[in-house]
Amino acid sequence: GNSVTQMEGPVTLSEEAFLTINCTYTATGYPSLFWYVQYPGEGLQLLLKATKADDKGSNKGFEATYRKETTSFHLEKGSVQVSDSAVYFCALSGPRSSNTGKLIFGQGTTLQVKP
Amino acid sequence: GAVVSQHPSWVICKSGTSVKIECRSLDFQATTMFWYRQFPKQSLMLMATSNEGSKATYEQGVEKDKFLINHASLTLSTLTVTSAHPEDSSFYICSASFGGGSDTQYFGPGTRLTVL
Repeated sequence: GNSVTQMEGPVTLSEEAFLTINCTYTATGYPSLFWYVQYPGEGLQLLLKATKADDKGSNKGFEATYRKETTSFHLEKGSVQVSDSAVYFCALSGPRSSNTGKLIFGQGTTLQVKP
Repeated sequence: GAVVSQHPSWVICKSGTSVKIECRSLDFQATTMFWYRQFPKQSLMLMATSNEGSKATYEQGVEKDKFLINHASLTLSTLTVTSAHPEDSSFYICSASFGGGSDTQYFGPGTRLTVL
């Protein structure tokens, strides 16, 4: 079945450091891929998405590229801020042909950015 | 746009009582809504998928008589935890999507349920 694997956290960085959070997936067909962020005490917010191979999703300085050959969707940011401290979830949804819209989440990676 | 609200944001109840949680899409019509459960420091577990006007589809292992879901309109879905017990204490999160092939879900802020 479909699954998502994220690197274990917590990830602790100093402000302005480079961030990479690894995400790999197993899926049949061509899923859509997502990164969601959960700030302390809040619900999940969509950070970025990519719907087909080689697409790059980007938002708020974060980027992730849909790599079909390596089945990966790693999240990157060139210079993190304290305000980026949150839990990041990688997720996939089934191909549109399945039309269920169900999301499968990775286990989440906690990012702590210190000033 | 695409704002989803949940009510209440937290609730404490006695064992054996039932609790209803509402999920509303405030500025769009949500053909499909999803209910998740999140344990501390863990990922979200999908409980069920509900489409407006039809019965919810429950994930394997989720008791449909325990977790009653009603999706009465395109902007409202409710989750009722019946005869709650301490092991039902958790963070319940709903999400909504436009449906019709759209695969982006918009999440509510969650409801913290504590059963004493």
